[in-house]
Amino acid sequence: DIQMTQSPSSLSASVGDRVTITCRASQSISRFLHWFQQKPGKAPKLLIYAASSLQSGVPSRFSGSDSGTEFTLTISSLQPEDFATYYCQQSYSFPRTFGQGTKVEIK
Amino acid sequence: EVQLVESGGGLVKAGGSLRLSCAASGFSFSSYSMIWVRQAPGKGLEWVSFISSSGAYTYYADSVKGRFTISRDNAKNSLFLQMNSLRGEDTAVYYCARETGPGTSAPDYWGQGTLVTVAS
Repeated sequence: DIQMTQSPSSLSASVGDRVTITCRASQSISRFLHWFQQKPGKAPKLLIYAASSLQSGVPSRFSGSDSGTEFTLTISSLQPEDFATYYCQQSYSFPRTFGQGTKVEIK
Repeated sequence: EVQLVESGGGLVKAGGSLRLSCAASGFSFSSYSMIWVRQAPGKGLEWVSFISSSGAYTYYADSVKGRFTISRDNAKNSLFLQMNSLRGEDTAVYYCARETGPGTSAPDYWGQGTLVTVAS
């Protein structure tokens, strides 16, 4: 199985900060890597698919990038509505696997 | 508008069975692969199962293999998860989601989830 190691597990940031979350795959997954945002009591929401493609309707302050097996989600200027938990997921092979999640909290 | 609505969750005793349903609307259901993902209370997301658009291919997480069965009825735009031999660790909110095409296979639409509680 492909392991997805996400870091950090949590972070504190202020409105307007630039935030970076990293996900590392245990083997090559090409660009089959997606990022989700989840708020308490809600379903996950797709933000970024195929490593760097912005899902329709998602603000442009969210972006994704990749370098080999390392993938990065960046929020360029954190907004109040961005405080949530973020997950990465690989769909390169079965079983699909998620990262452990990163909780973004208000500093 | 794409909609996915899960149902069938509830309280069940360990060793029991439950069948979850996911009603799809607003898109061509028979053209998309579908998945189930679960989230135990206070925990992260766990992928559970996949079914191809025709139903010909299915995959499972090791944690549910042999106990859960995914299926679909394309004529009724419905997805199912039959859960047998339930354990306490199966307690979770279960989400159904649509996967985009084979070029990306990203879960782009999700249901609101249905809670399964297994009493041990």
